[in-house]
Amino acid sequence: DARVTQTPRHKVTEMGQEVTMRCQPILGHNTVFWYRQTMMQGLELLAYFRNRAPLDDSGMPKDRFSAEMPDATLATLKIQPSEPRDSAVYFCASGLVLGQSTGELFFGEGSRLTVL
Amino acid sequence: EDQVTQSPEALRLQEGESSSLNCSYTVSGLRGLFWYRQDPGKGPEFLFTLYSAGEEKEKERLKATLTKKESFLHITAPKPEDSATYLCAVRVETSGSRLTFGEGTQLTVNP
Repeated sequence: DARVTQTPRHKVTEMGQEVTMRCQPILGHNTVFWYRQTMMQGLELLAYFRNRAPLDDSGMPKDRFSAEMPDATLATLKIQPSEPRDSAVYFCASGLVLGQSTGELFFGEGSRLTVL
Repeated sequence: EDQVTQSPEALRLQEGESSSLNCSYTVSGLRGLFWYRQDPGKGPEFLFTLYSAGEEKEKERLKATLTKKESFLHITAPKPEDSATYLCAVRVETSGSRLTFGEGTQLTVNP
């Protein structure tokens, strides 16, 4: 049963600490997304990659957030330094995007981050 | 700016009581409208994609329809297991593969 796997599922940290979230997309998917979900803002796109190349990171605070895909099986989202306003659930999603068709996106179960 | 608005924010139904959720959008160049279901503590789960006005898709008790300004998710004779948050999202011409999500409708179906 193919699924997107995210770690950690929960993370509590103190302000100023570095946080790294990891995602294993579904094998064969060419596009990986990072979304953040909060009660106030809903689901917001932070960044996405196509064939491991970053295509759009306009939703990401550049001074503290960074996203990478070191290989096809791993995407990472790093926050350094973390702040209380970063507390949210971070979702990774992957999909097979061909031409103009977005197709179905498969979401992971999310990483719930609490920054004290 | 592209906008997606869902209504109502929350909906409570009795089992078997049919209803509809609304997703209205203001975008330039719609390339697809998507419906997702999200259970508490889980990631969104794909339901439907609609591409053009007049298109309809069905799955079990759910039916999604699309006009030029809005989409409806009709729920026929809902069951308690249909309780979830339903999210709609749009993809537009100028946004690549980015999906812009609405705030969601939290549906509760009581037995």
